[in-house]
Amino acid sequence: SQQGEEDPQALSIQEGENATMNCSYKTSINNLQWYRQNSGRGLVHLILIRSNEREKHSGRLRVTLDTSKKSSSLLITASRAADTASYFCATAIQGAQKLVFGQGTRLTINP
Amino acid sequence: NAGVTQTPKFQVLKTGQSMTLQCAQDMNHNSMYWYRQDPGMGLRLIYYSASEGTTDKGEVPNGYNVSRLNKREFSLRLESAAPSQTSVYFCASKAYATEAFFGQGTRLTVV
Repeated sequence: SQQGEEDPQALSIQEGENATMNCSYKTSINNLQWYRQNSGRGLVHLILIRSNEREKHSGRLRVTLDTSKKSSSLLITASRAADTASYFCATAIQGAQKLVFGQGTRLTINP
Repeated sequence: NAGVTQTPKFQVLKTGQSMTLQCAQDMNHNSMYWYRQDPGMGLRLIYYSASEGTTDKGEVPNGYNVSRLNKREFSLRLESAAPSQTSVYFCASKAYATEAFFGQGTRLTVV
């Protein structure tokens, strides 16, 4: 089974609302990363949080990491229609060399 | 600066045929990865190479072989293609404990 599991699998909200996605993982990590994918294209990196960090911000993105619960969350504030995409968490394990992805959250922003 | 380049972009194979997917990166990254993505699913790790001269199995290695030809190139070979290998294949590369950069994908159909 995959290292990361995301919740919810799909999320539909109105433009302007905040979107929160969660990721849980199983083994110890070096860092956790979030990616975005538009319509089956290549993935684009959003943010990386290291195992000794608890929170990180980048523009409208906020990521938290709780290593005791083996979980992370991605918050997108003030959502826009262009944020419609699939979002994946990935965990870097085994000395940060192995990068394993979750199954993703499909986010739809309704205008 | 091309980043990660995959070839071909599309391929149709007959069951039992073989083919090699090529991947090259120009970012001097040590680690390279091959993933497959099935419809509506996350990325599953097939094989990875933490550094030149090493390769390791990922989550779904059966039916595939890889070669880390040099620091730039990492190829994926299907020796005898099966319909279950119909998927989109992504190559990625990264430096130690940093984010990954992805190619645009190879859409493979096995009939």
